[in-house]
Amino acid sequence: RKEVEQDPGPFNVPEGATVAFNCTYSNSASQSFFWYRQDCRKEPKLLMSVYSSGNEDGRFTAQLNRASQYISLLIRDSKLSDSATYLCVVNTRNNNDMRFGAGTRLTVKP
Amino acid sequence: DGGITQSPKYLFRKEGQNVTLSCEQNLNHDAMYWYRQDPGQGLRLIYYSQIVNDFQKGDIAEGYSVSREKKESFPLTVTSAQKNPTAFYLCASSSPNDLNEDTQYFGPGTRLTVL
Repeated sequence: RKEVEQDPGPFNVPEGATVAFNCTYSNSASQSFFWYRQDCRKEPKLLMSVYSSGNEDGRFTAQLNRASQYISLLIRDSKLSDSATYLCVVNTRNNNDMRFGAGTRLTVKP
Repeated sequence: DGGITQSPKYLFRKEGQNVTLSCEQNLNHDAMYWYRQDPGQGLRLIYYSQIVNDFQKGDIAEGYSVSREKKESFPLTVTSAQKNPTAFYLCASSSPNDLNEDTQYFGPGTRLTVL
């Protein structure tokens, strides 16, 4: 079993749609959680840190469920510019133990 | 502007050759990391360094070497011992003194192709 698992997609949605991604992690000792966005052939860029109480940043909402060991990302009112691959990242102890999911690809169409 | 730079952007290597990938940051970050990314897989850690003149192996260090002589610089050498070096190489940095201390910031990457 992979340490961090994501549905690879692709998710193809129309503009304005709401889309949700889930990510599961295997290590119950994991301490911090992130969503990164990666455009084609570019580097990952931090989208959101995920806090235990859940957090929202504009159209993006992240949730953490420690009991079930999953993290979610909800994107509302999808824009064409949201098309990218979304990486789930889990940090177990310290910065030396960041585990990356393979990513979920999103395409938003007009 | 503060940030992380990597060079070159694209690199072609013949089998049997060593190549060195550059990573420089002016963010005053203590920690730096090297990852490789392959299609359909998550990033995998090659080497990391938490302080100057110290570095540790990651999950897939075989066939790679690094140095950390300066805080700003963390070059990665891909040696001929690396059997499958074609990949996208990403350098990252972080600072334990930052509020979000475990957030890593990435350079633009180097795409290495072995011919």
